[in-house]
Amino acid sequence: AQSVSQHNHHVILSEAASLELGCNYSYGGTVNLFWYVQYPGQHLQLLLKYFSGDPLVKGIKGFEAEFIKSKFSFNLRKPSVQWSDTAEYFCAVNRNYGGSQGNLIFGKGTKLSVKP
Amino acid sequence: NAGVTQTPKFRILKIGQSMTLQCTQDMNHNYMYWYRQDPGMGLKLIYYSVGAGITDKGEVPNGYNVSRSTTEDFPLRLELAAPSQTSVYFCASSQRVAGGADTQYFGPGTRLTVL
Repeated sequence: AQSVSQHNHHVILSEAASLELGCNYSYGGTVNLFWYVQYPGQHLQLLLKYFSGDPLVKGIKGFEAEFIKSKFSFNLRKPSVQWSDTAEYFCAVNRNYGGSQGNLIFGKGTKLSVKP
Repeated sequence: NAGVTQTPKFRILKIGQSMTLQCTQDMNHNYMYWYRQDPGMGLKLIYYSVGAGITDKGEVPNGYNVSRSTTEDFPLRLELAAPSQTSVYFCASSQRVAGGADTQYFGPGTRLTVL
C-alpha cells in the first residue's frame, strides 16, 4: 500500500535557523505531492504542491520544496524560520493517473516549534 | 466566502450513542471528504464524495455513514459510538479537474470524545 513517511515528529529551532523537513513516499508511479500546514487554532491549509514541471516548487511564506524522483522525496525547506512558523506540517501524496487522481495519503506530521 | 464549516466544534458521547457531524461548503466544489486525525497518526480518509448522490469509502469507513444530497452538505453519521472513534474529524472539499492536482480546503474540525 502507498505510504508517506515524515522523518521528524518534533523539530525545535531558534528564529533565523534554516529548516528542512523530510518526506518520502512509497509509490513508484506518477504522483502529486503536497505540503499542508496547520497553525495553532487554525484550519489545515495548503503550503505548496507539485504535479508537473519544475521540481523546485515555491509556496507561501517563503517555503519551498524539491521533488527528487529518484529518492521518492519531497522535502520542505525554508532558509530562515520565524516564530510565526510554529505549526504542524503534513506531507501528502496522491497518485496521478493522467486524467484523474487517487485519494490523498498523509504523513503523520511534523510539529515545528520556533523559539523567539 | 465562509469556506468549509463544521458543527459542532466539540462533543462528548457515551458509548452506543449516535450523532451526526455537519459539514457545509460554499465554494461549489464537486469533491468532499471526511478525515479523522488521531494523535501522531496524520489524517486518515473515512469517506469521500465526487458529487451530489455519489459517495465512496476511504481507508477507515467502518462505524460511519455519509450522504450527499446537495453539493454543499456532506454530513457524517456515527451510529453506535465506540471509544475507538474518539478523534478529531476534519471535513474538506476540492474542485477536481482533469490533469491537475486539486487543493483541498479544510474545515476547523470537530473534536469528539466517546466515553
